[in-house]
Amino acid sequence: QTVVTQEPSFSVSPGGTVTLTCGLSSGSVSTSYYPTWYQQTPGQAPRTLIYTTNTRSSGVPDRFSGSILGNKAALTITGAQADDESDYYCVLYMGSGNWVFGGGTKLTVL
Amino acid sequence: EVQLLESGGGLVQPGGSLRLSCAASGFTFSSTAMTWVRQAPGKGLECVATVSGGSSFTFHADSVKGRFTISRDNSRNMLYLQMNNLRGEDTAIYYCAKDFRIAAGIYSPDFWGQGILVTVPS
Repeated sequence: QTVVTQEPSFSVSPGGTVTLTCGLSSGSVSTSYYPTWYQQTPGQAPRTLIYTTNTRSSGVPDRFSGSILGNKAALTITGAQADDESDYYCVLYMGSGNWVFGGGTKLTVL
Repeated sequence: EVQLLESGGGLVQPGGSLRLSCAASGFTFSSTAMTWVRQAPGKGLECVATVSGGSSFTFHADSVKGRFTISRDNSRNMLYLQMNNLRGEDTAIYYCAKDFRIAAGIYSPDFWGQGILVTVPS
């Protein structure tokens, strides 16, 4: 069974840049997996940030960007702000309607 | 304004059944694929089931296949999840999500409701 991997936690200083990654337990992530990124703050529903690797969802600031870095999908936050402190989830498309989420990354801004 | 409002959650004993509902508004429901996603307490997200706009396509995760059934009523703008033979590991917040077409035949959860809690004592 394919597992989608994410860093469990990460920290960034206010104003700094951080890159979160999304990989596979076996193989490389490519655009064919349509990597999608969500942000979730405690007690709230997830919010779509990025879809199809690098397309920002409506209303998402341009300091959030998506890409493929090496064999992983990546979410980069440039100029981190205090309210970016959230859980970030990636999800990859495995075909036949099956999306598999990573375990999420808890981002701390301090 | 897109709105998704889940209902029908609660406490149910192992082996019991529950039907979740999601009332949708603010978009053309009948042409939009919909998905149920769940999140166990303190855990990550899991896609449970998806149904296409016209119900010609459904997907159910292996973890719920044969126990859960997704369906919709386009005349009422309602999405459902019938959950049978519930287990402790089904305890989670269940989110109704409106899907977004990202490629031919591929739909991704885009806008999410606030979720409803289902508790199955283990």
